[in-house]
Parts: sequence; structure tokens; C-alpha cells
Amino acid sequence: AAGVIQSPRHLIKEKRETATLKCYPIPRHDTVYWYQQGPGQDPQFLISFYEKMQSDKGSIPDRFSAQQFSDYHSELNMSSLELGDSALYFCASTHLAGNEQFFGPGTRLTVL
Amino acid sequence: QQQVKQSPQSLIVQKGGISIINCAYENTAFDYFPWYQQFPGKGPALLIAIRPDVSEKKEGRFTISFNKSAKQFSLHIMDSQPGDSATYFCAARRGANNLFFGTGTRLTVIP
Repeated sequence: AAGVIQSPRHLIKEKRETATLKCYPIPRHDTVYWYQQGPGQDPQFLISFYEKMQSDKGSIPDRFSAQQFSDYHSELNMSSLELGDSALYFCASTHLAGNEQFFGPGTRLTVL
Repeated sequence: QQQVKQSPQSLIVQKGGISIINCAYENTAFDYFPWYQQFPGKGPALLIAIRPDVSEKKEGRFTISFNKSAKQFSLHIMDSQPGDSATYFCAARRGANNLFFGTGTRLTVIP
């Protein structure tokens, strides 16, 4: 069965650079959630989209933005990167918001 | 503020033993309580989930016990195996909203 695809899987950036993370949800899933997981921490909700519209916002810094495109894939754009942004970034998708969230393998971002 | 509290932080169990992880929440609007299993460098994978109208749900070796009045729920892993060694997260959600995760329990099953 198709799963959530995230790219890239690993990303190394310097401080103050920008990064773009991509998420391809499971086919026919209409809702995407982004989570950030720091080392040894639980995933923290950043932002979600339903049918290409932002549906909810969590602890996402103003330096970050995201969107969902017409094909339902989503991109998380991160600017002015800081050392503290180093984390695993997960995307999860679901069909008809409210059902089980399927998580992708994550993007490991390292900011040097 | 941690919306879902989870304990213990780490757990060591002998093979064949029972692993028990506990979670508590405050927000009575939560209506969906899943448990996720996560291996290092991987995304969380849903193990089992329960809704508050049910007090217990069992799937294979995994059982969720839910106490609505105490606002607590727990995961029991029967006949624990070395392959169960992973980090387990409880979570809670209201409606179609995002998940609030517990702080995680690192389970080690000793052969």
C-alpha cells in the first residue's frame, strides 16, 4: 500500500539559510499535518491543511510557512534557520479529516 | 503545557512479560486516543486506538484500558518481545484536529 512520502529524507543547512520540505500524502487523502520532533521529544504540531486550505495552526514559528497544492502535496518552507530548528519533521495525512493519521518517514533537518 | 502526560519515561521488561504504559489527560473534549510505536529514525506508526465510549480494546497482544472518569488510559503489551523494543507515544485528539502526544516511553525488552 502507498504510504506518505517525504523529501528529502535528510537535509543539512547552515544558520540563516532556507529549507523546503515536501510531503506527498497517501492518494485520496485530503488532509495534511506537519509535526516537529526534537531529539528525545514528542512530536509537536505545527500546521495542518484540509482541501488546500490551512485548517489549524500550532507552534509554528513565523519564520516558517506552508501550503498545500492542487495535487494535495504540501511544502513546509523554513527561513532564517536556527540551530534549534534541527529536528525530525513529520508529515501525516488522512482522508476525510478525523480518521487515522498516517505518518511519513520524516525529514531529518540538521542546522549547523 | 503538556496536554497528555505519560509515564514511565523508560521501561525494561523481560521477554514474555507484560509492559504497561500509562497516560493521563485533562481536556474532556478529547474524543480519540491512539497509541503510536516509533523506531529510531522512523515515523510514528499507529498501534491501536480507542474512543471514550469504550473501556477496553484489544488487538492481538496490545490492549488499551480507558478510564473516562479518571481521564486516564493505558497500553498493555502482553508477552513482550525484543522486537517490541521501541518508543511508545500515547496521544489524544478532539474531532478532526491535530494530535497531542505524550512525552514517550522507551521500552526495552530483554531476551
